Amino acid sequence: DVKVTQSSRYLVKRTGEKVFLECVQDMDHENMFWYRQDPGLGLRLIYFSYDVKMKEKGDIPEGYSVSREKKERFSLILESASTNQTSMYLCASSFGGLLDEQFFGPGTRLTVL
Amino acid sequence: GDSVTQMEGPVTLSEEAFLTINCTYTATGYPSLFWYVQYPGEGLQLLLKATKADDKGSNKGFEATYRKETTSFHLEKGSVQVSDSAVYFCALSSIGGSNYKLTFGKGTLLTVNP
Repeated sequence: DVKVTQSSRYLVKRTGEKVFLECVQDMDHENMFWYRQDPGLGLRLIYFSYDVKMKEKGDIPEGYSVSREKKERFSLILESASTNQTSMYLCASSFGGLLDEQFFGPGTRLTVL
Repeated sequence: GDSVTQMEGPVTLSEEAFLTINCTYTATGYPSLFWYVQYPGEGLQLLLKATKADDKGSNKGFEATYRKETTSFHLEKGSVQVSDSAVYFCALSSIGGSNYKLTFGKGTLLTVNP
C-alpha cells in the first residue's frame, strides 16, 4: 500500500527556533513536494525536489529550506520560525510527469508561539 | 501564470441532493486536471482526473468533464451521502521549473446533513 509519512501530526515551537519537518515515502517516487495549507488560501507549494540532492523553489519559498539526501526522505527546514509560519504542512510524492497523481501524507500542524 | 478558481464554500446539502462544485482554470498549453478530496484529519487523496479535452474522469459516483472551450472542470455527483463531507480541491498539472507541479484551487468545504 502506498504510503507517505510525516514525522509529527502536531508540533509547537517558539519564535526563533530551528524546526525540522520530515517526510518519508516508500514508493520509490522521484518527486517530492512540500506545501502549506491555510484557510482561504488552499495549498501553496513551498519547495519540490525531482531527484536526490536536487531542489526547486515553489511559489512561497521565503523563510524555508529543504534537504533531500536520500530518495525516500525530504525534509523541510524553518531556519528561524516565526508566528506567520503557523500552518498545516503537507508532504507529497509522485513518479513525476504530467499525468501522475501526487500522494499526500497526513500533514503536520505547526504552531509557532 | 497558471491558476485555478473554484467556487467558494462552504456548501451544505441534504443527503441525496445533487452536487456541483465549479472549477475554472487558466493555463498555457494543455494541462491535466484533477480533483482531490481531503477528509477530516487526513491528507489529500486523488478523487479523479482527466488528461485531455472532452475526457470525463469518474470515481465513487463523482464525475468531471474537461471542457477546453470554457476552461472548466466542474465536479458533480447525483446523490451525495454524509460520508462525502470533506474539502474538495481542483488542481491542474503544469511545468514548473524542470518538472511538473500541481496548482491548486482554494478548496470547497462540503457538509452533507442526514
